[in-house]
Amino acid sequence: GENVEQHPSTLSVQEGDSAVIKCTYSDSASNYFPWYKQELGKRPQLIIDIRSNVGEKKDQRIAVTLNKTAKHFSLHITETQPEDSAVYFCAAIPNYGGSQGNLIFGKGTKLSVKP
Amino acid sequence: DTEVTQTPKHLVMGMTNKKSLKCEQHMGHRAMYWYKQKAKKPPELMFVYSYEKLSINESVPSRFSPECPNSSLLNLHLHALQPEDSALYLCASSPRQGTEAFFGQGTRLTVV
Repeated sequence: GENVEQHPSTLSVQEGDSAVIKCTYSDSASNYFPWYKQELGKRPQLIIDIRSNVGEKKDQRIAVTLNKTAKHFSLHITETQPEDSAVYFCAAIPNYGGSQGNLIFGKGTKLSVKP
Repeated sequence: DTEVTQTPKHLVMGMTNKKSLKCEQHMGHRAMYWYKQKAKKPPELMFVYSYEKLSINESVPSRFSPECPNSSLLNLHLHALQPEDSALYLCASSPRQGTEAFFGQGTRLTVV
């Protein structure tokens, strides 16, 4: 079945710097890759996603890149702000198999942005 | 309405109690999910309903019993829980299984 690895587990940056979180997946049939932001005590919130027919997607300060050949995708946050501090989860949705159609999450990255 | 709404937000129950968690969405989504999340861990899939039919039960203990009365509602019935079942229970919905999922704010459950 699908397995998603996420690195790093913690990331501390200075306000204004960029942050990059990387994920790899094992199932080449996975075709949808969302990113969720979860602030302490709150729900996971979908912040950006990418499908397997696209290499890059950008939304203001957030971008996601996908390398299908290498089976990895990354979240890039530019000009970080203290309110970006949260746990970020990557996920993949396999297209077939036992986990078909279901989110398979990475273990999460705790991002701290220091003012 | 673009939200997934869960009630209650907090629940404390004894090990002999019976309680239910409720989830509602009015976005016309046809897939609904229950997840369990422990502290500092990712959400863990428990149940999936697709077009109001249970499609996946991830080997969850029978003390958790899901119900999908209609396309907008999802319940999770709880009975004889253990302290280790204390967690954040999240409901989510998506237009259909395999598409973008949106989470409710969760129910913080404590079993005493």
